[in-house]
Amino acid sequence: DTEVTQTPKHLVMGMTNKKSLKCEQHMGHRAMYWYKQKAKKPPELMFVYSYEKLSINESVPSRFSPECPNSSLLNLHLHALQPEDSALYLCASSQEYRGPNEQFFGPGTRLTVL
Amino acid sequence: AQSVTQLDSQVPVFEEAPVELRCNYSSSVSVYLFWYVQYPNQGLQLLLKYLSGSTLVKGINGFEAEFNKSQTSFHLRKPSVHISDTAEYFCATIIQGAQKLVFGQGTRLTINP
Repeated sequence: DTEVTQTPKHLVMGMTNKKSLKCEQHMGHRAMYWYKQKAKKPPELMFVYSYEKLSINESVPSRFSPECPNSSLLNLHLHALQPEDSALYLCASSQEYRGPNEQFFGPGTRLTVL
Repeated sequence: AQSVTQLDSQVPVFEEAPVELRCNYSSSVSVYLFWYVQYPNQGLQLLLKYLSGSTLVKGINGFEAEFNKSQTSFHLRKPSVHISDTAEYFCATIIQGAQKLVFGQGTRLTINP
């Protein structure tokens, strides 16, 4: 199984809502990532988890809260988002965080904040 | 700082024609380079990677790339494209030390029948 799954595929939320994005992989990878991708732009790294511990936070606003409950799951909790947070949110995983490891990407969650 | 630059934002070609998507990198240390493809409304898929060794790298879907140290380039090529190759293509490198994957701005490949 070389797949990273993400749910939901689409999400529309108001600025006062609380929602969560979910990512799952069963490849035994120990590193997992969240990226944000705006239209016609490359993905931008948000967070990196290595062995279920947060290794990198790219100065992401606190309204985005990541969580790694176990080595297969990665969540992104959303609260009080702004319309400019509307984007495609991509999850990825790799065997290890250190070294030139291939990152496997999920299909993304398209988020719209009203 | 390590980075990659994709020289063309859009490349239109006719079906069955050859294509080259250009990528230049900047690095004074060992470099790891990747090409990813993103089909419409999908995530990214790795086409190929250069870590070391042979400078000609073959990937999936008939794509290949050549690592050229003297020209600091890693251009992606395909001898004959198909309509299904229509997608956004990203060149990427790993920033060593920070261990971050950073992407170029992307090249939109459009195949015309």
